[in-house]
Amino acid sequence: KQEVTQIPAALSVPEGENLVLNCSFTDSAIYNLQWFRQDPGKGLTSLLLIQSSQREQTSGRLNASLDKSSGRSTLYIAASQPGDSATYLCAVSGDGGSQGNLIFGKGTKLSVKP
Amino acid sequence: KAGVTQTPRYLIKTRGQQVTLSCSPISGHRSVSWYQQTPGQGLQFLFEYFSETQRNKGNFPGRFSGRQFSNSRSEMNVSTLELGDSALYLCASSPMAETQYFGPGTRLLVL
Repeated sequence: KQEVTQIPAALSVPEGENLVLNCSFTDSAIYNLQWFRQDPGKGLTSLLLIQSSQREQTSGRLNASLDKSSGRSTLYIAASQPGDSATYLCAVSGDGGSQGNLIFGKGTKLSVKP
Repeated sequence: KAGVTQTPRYLIKTRGQQVTLSCSPISGHRSVSWYQQTPGQGLQFLFEYFSETQRNKGNFPGRFSGRQFSNSRSEMNVSTLELGDSALYLCASSPMAETQYFGPGTRLLVL
């Protein structure tokens, strides 16, 4: 059974810092991995999607890496801003026809202080 | 393109009642998935529909059911509500097996 773990559960940093969020998963047979952002009481916003054959994806100040063999992904946020404060969720979709079934970690709650 | 819409946004029900939630996917998206989010369990997959057929189902009791219509709109139904069903219910759509786009959710409170 696939399990996704995110460390740390919460993180507080001063504005301008670079930071790394971690995600690990137990079964390497994944179709893809996605990073989402969730603001309080809101839905999820997709940040980056990495296909299982890819090693990383970049969007603006965000860079996500995937090491499928070791079951790890990291989300790197450069030059953090107060507007980055949110909960960041990592999710994997399974191989073999279950791609619409995302398995989520519990998230990392990020607070960026001005 | 308009995003994923969910109605209603907020709902209060009492134990034993039933509830129906609605989700309209992004135009052209044929896959719709439903998730339950609670503080204790986090986000958990309920089911996925593709072209009116249930393609995957999570580990939830039979009180949770869903369906998809020919226009890809989807509904989920929860019968005999329990206090533990209080949660944010999120719907997501995708064109195929790609990035999932989430709606704002329906917050259900069971009293």
